[in-house]
Amino acid sequence: KNEVEQSPQNLTAQEGEFITINCSYSVGISALHWLQQHPGGGIVSLFMLSSGKKKHGRLIATINIQEKHSSLHITASHPRDSAVYICAVPTSGTYKYIFGTGTRLKVLA
Amino acid sequence: DGGITQSPKYLFRKEGQNVTLSCEQNLNHDAMYWYRQDPGQGLRLIYYSQIVNDFQKGDIAEGYSVSREKKESFPLTVTSAQKNPTAFYLCASSSSGDPYEQYFGPGTRLTVT
Repeated sequence: KNEVEQSPQNLTAQEGEFITINCSYSVGISALHWLQQHPGGGIVSLFMLSSGKKKHGRLIATINIQEKHSSLHITASHPRDSAVYICAVPTSGTYKYIFGTGTRLKVLA
Repeated sequence: DGGITQSPKYLFRKEGQNVTLSCEQNLNHDAMYWYRQDPGQGLRLIYYSQIVNDFQKGDIAEGYSVSREKKESFPLTVTSAQKNPTAFYLCASSSSGDPYEQYFGPGTRLTVT
């Protein structure tokens, strides 16, 4: 079992739909990082959060440290949201990330 | 603007040649990282450095070498010993304070034929 698991692995949505991507982890963490990678592109940081909720535009990220679970929501999805979304947790004391397996999102017009 | 630069964006080499990928950051970060990504796959850690003149092997260090002579720079050399060097290479950096949020460069796509 991976220490960081994401679901679903693949997701196809129609434009305008509300999207939720989940990330569960089994290690102790102080924060969790949500990343986005467009096809053929580099990696963009979306959110780093250690508690509660953060919002940026149509993106919302939540985390429950006690339940070891985080979600990334996209409201009013658009084809330009099509990308791979990755959650990652920094391992305390080693500077290294443990990456989730990624969620490949495709939003159809 | 602060950030991480990687050059070039695309790099082509013949088999048997060593090649060095550049990574520079002006974020004043202590830690720097190199990742490899194969098509449709996740990121795998090659090397990381927590401080100047010190670096550690990651999960797939064989066939790669690095140096960290300056805080701003962390070049990666892909040697001829790397059996499958064609991949997308990403550099990242982070501060030394918990939780070590990593910032990623735009990547270099290396093709070896």
